[in-house]
Amino acid sequence: DVKVTQSSRYLVKRTGEIVFLECVQDMDHENMFWYRQDPGLGLRLIYFSYDVKMKEKGDIPEGYSVSREKKERFSLILESASTNQTSMYLCASSLSLAGEGAYEQYFGPGTRLTVT
Amino acid sequence: QKEVEQNSGPLSVPEGAIASLNCTYSDRVSQSFFWYRQYSGKSPELIMSIYSNGDKEDGRFTAQLNKASQYVSLLIRDSQPSDSATYLCAVNRGSTLGRLYFGRGTQLTVWP
Repeated sequence: DVKVTQSSRYLVKRTGEIVFLECVQDMDHENMFWYRQDPGLGLRLIYFSYDVKMKEKGDIPEGYSVSREKKERFSLILESASTNQTSMYLCASSLSLAGEGAYEQYFGPGTRLTVT
Repeated sequence: QKEVEQNSGPLSVPEGAIASLNCTYSDRVSQSFFWYRQYSGKSPELIMSIYSNGDKEDGRFTAQLNKASQYVSLLIRDSQPSDSATYLCAVNRGSTLGRLYFGRGTQLTVWP
């Protein structure tokens, strides 16, 4: 079974703090993704990575950065947390392969971040 | 036009009925299609993948794909209260480094 873990289930931070969200997958997946999910807005892609040290912006990268130094780990960084970054953050990973099973994304349990 | 559109719902069906969830997508080059189930407060869980036209069955779930009409659906037979969740449709457009485009989801309630 694919396992994607996230460092915290719940996190409370103050405005202006730096926030690190960690994601680890144990299935040697090439692709990793960070989403945020808000009521009425659905899943929105922040950043993704298709290889170590490679990253691509998603639809809402502003205010976020990412790091992928090892294949199994993908970190999301909020450089200066703001209240509008209060959200559920979801990490996912997938294999790059052709045919059946291609691009199936598996999600971690999520981190509910509150910025006060 | 949104990449992926789903019936906004909510959809309510009685226990034992067939629940039908629909999804349309805008990009004709889309190649891979997925259905996720998300219980309230939990993360999305992959329940079906479909890559070619036609039907694909897995237990009580059947995914149907029609690329000509740019339409993918999920049928849940013999619906159970435990199927009550939000169902997300997702699409991969081929050479996009594994990125999926998600619909906003359809909330399904199965009442006893």
